[in-house]
Amino acid sequence: SSELTQDPAVSVALGQTVRITCQGDSLRSYYASWYQQKPGQAPVLVIYGQNKRPSGIPDRFSGSTSGNTASLTITGAQAEDEADYHCNSRDTIANHWVFGGGTKLTVL
Amino acid sequence: QVQLVQSGAEVKKPGSSVRVSCKASGDTFSRLAISWVRQAPGQGLEWMGGIIPVSGIFGTPNYAQNFQGRVTINADESTSTAYMELSRLRSEDTALYYCARVSEPFGAGSFFGSWGQGTLVTVSS
Repeated sequence: SSELTQDPAVSVALGQTVRITCQGDSLRSYYASWYQQKPGQAPVLVIYGQNKRPSGIPDRFSGSTSGNTASLTITGAQAEDEADYHCNSRDTIANHWVFGGGTKLTVL
Repeated sequence: QVQLVQSGAEVKKPGSSVRVSCKASGDTFSRLAISWVRQAPGQGLEWMGGIIPVSGIFGTPNYAQNFQGRVTINADESTSTAYMELSRLRSEDTALYYCARVSEPFGAGSFFGSWGQGTLVTVSS
């Protein structure tokens, strides 16, 4: 099976731009999806497919992929964006999925 | 929008089993691909396994290698409920267990669009 690798922690100054990355072989074949999780809450989908945002997700969230690396970019980070972010994709094994280890985002 | 409501918290002894339910509403149940994801305290998300319907019929469940032989996932269409049973519990299985609806499960851009509220399973002697 595949693995997805994320940096454990990233910080960004309020109003600045931050990129959170996710690396893995499965990303050469499948798009990453990204989930925001705040303490005590279930994950919430923020980006999926080719840079698609569910209804209600601010347009400061965007996604991209290059080779085996997917990125979640927050342009103009807000205090409420402080959370854990998890990436996910289909696995190279049929009908399996895989998650990254998660990145804790701190907004300074 | 699919809504998923899970059963309540459980406290179990090591070596026992736990069964968590996930009731779906808002869409035809036989069209829903459901996966189970767990999150140990302070840890990331871990895919455990799931079921995918094909032409309205649920096929054989798929299980992550880490859980093969210990997890059983099935569904009851008459009650629109999916179940996850984990056996031979150990303290390391203490975690939040989520069910989630997998959208576009056969596409390159599949995603977990709806999540249950999570069920805390505590394994303690």
